[in-house]
Amino acid sequence: GAVVSQHPSWVICKSGTSVKIECRSLDFQATTMFWYRQFPKQSLMLMATSNEGSKATYEQGVEKDKFLINHASLTLSTLTVTSAHPEDSSFYICSARGRGRETQYFGPGTRLLVL
Amino acid sequence: GENVEQHPSTLSVQEGDSAVIKCTYSDSASNYFPWYKQELGKGPQLIIDIRSNVGEKKDQRIAVTLNKTAKHFSLHITETQPEDSAVYFCAARSRNAGNMLTFGGGTRLMVKP
Repeated sequence: GAVVSQHPSWVICKSGTSVKIECRSLDFQATTMFWYRQFPKQSLMLMATSNEGSKATYEQGVEKDKFLINHASLTLSTLTVTSAHPEDSSFYICSARGRGRETQYFGPGTRLLVL
Repeated sequence: GENVEQHPSTLSVQEGDSAVIKCTYSDSASNYFPWYKQELGKGPQLIIDIRSNVGEKKDQRIAVTLNKTAKHFSLHITETQPEDSAVYFCAARSRNAGNMLTFGGGTRLMVKP
């Protein structure tokens, strides 16, 4: 199957700082990337969808100024959590899909802890 | 929009037994149904998927069945092993939902040795 990587795998930061998470598709061109958030023992919550070269589409209730998403190339998308607060602590997972394809492949996730 | 219900939320089986996880969906326009396995602290991994023009698909110990009329699909794992222990998510993709995946709530499978 296709490979999606995420970096970093975990990050601890102080409240008020910004954190950037990178998502890369390693062996295919990801025309669409998705960012999810997952709380313990819960399902995946879609935050936003981004198509290469276009602005991200955010789900209802997700602050676009808080969670900045950039999908500048067919293999890279970034999620920046701006002015992070403890309630932003969570497991963030990206997913990627190739052009005209149905299958979404997930990255390994990034665990964010805001102190 | 699409709604996907998954049952049971937890499932405990003895090693070697079979496990069945069921999902129902609401949107008849859904045409693609993947299953993901998520181990603790990791991202979901695609284990099998099925398209609406197929009723059943099998890959070694894993099989998925789809009943379009009843709008439900199931994951079957035979000869379970301790390494099958994980959280399993079903999903449905609908053209009416912008071709987005809608996930079920997940099933925590525990295989006891």
